[in-house]
Amino acid sequence: GENVEQHPSTLSVQEGDSAVIKCTYSDSASNYFPWYKQELGKGPQLIIDIRSNVGEKKDQRIAVTLNKTAKHFSLHITETQPEDSAVYFCAASEDTASKLTFGTGTRLQVTL
Amino acid sequence: DTGVSQDPRHKITKRGQNVTFRCDPISEHNRLYWYRQTLGQGPEFLTYFQNEAQLEKSRLLSDRFSAERPKGSFSTLEIQRTEQGDSAMYLCASSLGRQGWNSPLHFGNGTRLTVT
Repeated sequence: GENVEQHPSTLSVQEGDSAVIKCTYSDSASNYFPWYKQELGKGPQLIIDIRSNVGEKKDQRIAVTLNKTAKHFSLHITETQPEDSAVYFCAASEDTASKLTFGTGTRLQVTL
Repeated sequence: DTGVSQDPRHKITKRGQNVTFRCDPISEHNRLYWYRQTLGQGPEFLTYFQNEAQLEKSRLLSDRFSAERPKGSFSTLEIQRTEQGDSAMYLCASSLGRQGWNSPLHFGNGTRLTVT
């Protein structure tokens, strides 16, 4: 089955700096890669996703890149703000309907 | 709020007791998923429904676990004879699926189960 590894497990950045979280996956059949943000006491919330026919996608301060050959994808957050502090999860699946395999999460802390 | 709703938010039970959780998906969503999340880990897939049909079950879903979605709307997840290892956050998600297309998953805020 699919295995998703995520690094780093914790990340501390100053407000305004950029944050990068990296994930690798094992199953070449995976074609869908969402990123979720989870705040304390809440469920994961989708922040951006990418499909395998696209190499990069941006949404305001958030971008995701995908390298299918190397089987890795990354989340980039620019101009970080304190409200970006949360746990971020990457995930992979064959398609948007299939079960997601999640990484182990990255706790991002944005300090003033 | 018209998101995925889960009830209860918290459940404390003694080992050996049965518990049941409920999930109400976003109203037009025909697909419903259950995941389990333990502390410091990502969610793990348990099972998936399309309308009332349960289409896939993880090996994590032992015989003590059963999920239903009788009318293709809300779903229940029952755990019989709970064990301390069942302590986790149980997350429900829903999506809208059509031929060749599926919306991203929307998660509820989960039910946190503590087995003492």
